[in-house]
Amino acid sequence: EAGVAQSPRYKIIEKRQSVAFWCNPISGHATLYWYQQILGQGPKLLIQFQNNGVVDDSQLPKDRFSAERLKGVDSTLKIQPAKLEDSAVYLCASSPEASSYEQYFGPGTRLTVT
Amino acid sequence: GDSVTQMEGPVTLSEEAFLTINCTYTATGYPSLFWYVQYPGEGLQLLLKATKADDKGSNKGFEATYRKETTSFHLEKGSVQVSDSAVYFCALSDTGRRALTFGSGTRLQVQP
Repeated sequence: EAGVAQSPRYKIIEKRQSVAFWCNPISGHATLYWYQQILGQGPKLLIQFQNNGVVDDSQLPKDRFSAERLKGVDSTLKIQPAKLEDSAVYLCASSPEASSYEQYFGPGTRLTVT
Repeated sequence: GDSVTQMEGPVTLSEEAFLTINCTYTATGYPSLFWYVQYPGEGLQLLLKATKADDKGSNKGFEATYRKETTSFHLEKGSVQVSDSAVYFCALSDTGRRALTFGSGTRLQVQP
């Protein structure tokens, strides 16, 4: 079974530029999560989707971050404009359904904002 | 809100030593508790879980017991190996949604 795919793996941009990350969850997984992991910290939830609907985006900085999950499969996370403090690893995870305890994580995208 | 506190690292042990990584939590209701592991160059993987008080999660020689009275979920292993070197994250999810709240992680280094 293929795991959660993310791209790109690494990205370096200047502040005020925009960037987009892509996630392809495990086939058939209804729930998709985006987490932000700043160096030395644990991952922090940004947004949770159930199929193509948003379940929780309370911690998403909506003035600069946006996310969508069209057709309930792939998802993209965008930052526009980026700030220095957005430097982090962005993790995508999926689970079979919202009631499932186990989340399967992708390898992450490491973003450096200079 | 929910939070997880775990001991700071790095923790450096010799092979075959006993391991304890402390984890305590704050949550309303009755959360489920997890330990995730991140090996060098790899993604986060679920190591073990416990979904109710007094449950013991176990996997690969690691164990943790859900202690509601002390709000703790300490990770233990009787004899560590070099291959256990990784970063370990304690996490919880509340009963309503399944998104995880993570601790800051503890790096374990096992020396031969």
